[in-house]
Amino acid sequence: ELKVEQNPLFLSMQEGKNYTIYCNYSTTSDRLYWYRQDPGKSLESLFVLLSNGAVKQEGRLMASLDTKARLSTLHITAAVHDLSATYFCASGRSNYKLTFGKGTLLTVNP
Amino acid sequence: DTAVSQTPKYLVTQMGNDKSIKCEQNLGHDTMYWYKQDSKKFLKIMFSYNNKELIINETVPNRFSPKSPDKAHLNLHINSLELGDSAVYFCASSHGGQGVNSPLHFGNGTRLTVT
Repeated sequence: ELKVEQNPLFLSMQEGKNYTIYCNYSTTSDRLYWYRQDPGKSLESLFVLLSNGAVKQEGRLMASLDTKARLSTLHITAAVHDLSATYFCASGRSNYKLTFGKGTLLTVNP
Repeated sequence: DTAVSQTPKYLVTQMGNDKSIKCEQNLGHDTMYWYKQDSKKFLKIMFSYNNKELIINETVPNRFSPKSPDKAHLNLHINSLELGDSAVYFCASSHGGQGVNSPLHFGNGTRLTVT
């Protein structure tokens, strides 16, 4: 059974700093999604990564995928308060049965 | 204009009651899902439906019965509610099938509290 592990689970960082969230998955998969969830809100799709070496960027967030290492990273550049949220990665062989990581609660402090 | 809408947003009920949550999507997707998010924010798939057909039933108790009257709707009925059913239930939709890689779109969630 596919397992998806994120770390860290809690991340407190200062504005302006850089950091990376890691997402490891245990078996072969053909997709990796990153989502953002604000407190009490829905999940918003951030990135879709499908192939080895895929890199996508949106603003201060950049996601990458290494299928050989079964690892995806979400890199935050020069964090701002608005990025405070919980970030989830999800993987699976099809959309029918995605496995989500436990989420990384990111708090960006002034 | 809401893409995936679910009702109600909040549901407070007593143990033993039966309740339903409704979900509708206007994105033209052929696949809909129910996810459960527990108090620790862990998200787990419950059911997946493709073109009204059940594809995934992830060892959910029989008290949970999904129904998909058409591709745009997926409802969830829960019988004999238990304290452990308290959670946020998210409906989602996407294109499905092998080789389809578009992300899931989630509704705003239904916070169920069983007392």
